[in-house]
Amino acid sequence: GAGVSQSPRYKVAKRGQDVALRCDPISGHVSLFWYQQALGQGPEFLTYFQNEAQLDKSGLPSDRFFAERPEGSVSTLKIQRTQQEDSAVYLCASSLGGRGYTDTQYFGPGTRLTVL
Amino acid sequence: KQEVTQIPAALSVPEGENLVLNCSFTDSAIYNLQWFRQDPGKGLTSLLLIQSSQREQTSGRLNASLDKSSGRSTLYIAASQPGDSATYLCAPQGGKLIFGQGTELSVKP
Repeated sequence: GAGVSQSPRYKVAKRGQDVALRCDPISGHVSLFWYQQALGQGPEFLTYFQNEAQLDKSGLPSDRFFAERPEGSVSTLKIQRTQQEDSAVYLCASSLGGRGYTDTQYFGPGTRLTVL
Repeated sequence: KQEVTQIPAALSVPEGENLVLNCSFTDSAIYNLQWFRQDPGKGLTSLLLIQSSQREQTSGRLNASLDKSSGRSTLYIAASQPGDSATYLCAPQGGKLIFGQGTELSVKP
């Protein structure tokens, strides 16, 4: 079956624009995660969903970042009024069970966001 | 707060060598530890997951060990191949995955 997919793969935004990044997890996966990866760094946790419930959003860097998963499948990460420091690769991952913090996570290819 | 350190940051070896990548972490209260591979411009591929109660896991030419009490894990790659060239990331999982900065491996033919 298909893996985790993300779109767009690349996004260039002018400072101050709003962007929306999409994640399609593996079908049937209960848990979904978003990570931010700056150049040369490891990924950093942003937020976690179990089905449609956002159980942990402690990693979101500011209130400009918002994530949703309204039907428990596809998720969207929205960044309002983008800043240059938001430039990074945004990774989405999903895992099968509801024990999100203990199962193997499967990652998508990421969306590379560049803010000019 | 969990902090993860990976040594070395970069490694270049000739094809066929056995090698060891090191990972240390500060908080031993973890459920498991995962090793991932990341190719340039790509997402992460899970290589091995070691449960906190386990000491090691093996998959093909890869062997990962975990010493939770000392906060250390190693990834051993046997008979390295050019196709092994990638960045390797370790991530202990307590409440969430916390990643190290990775080891960039280059295997020369």
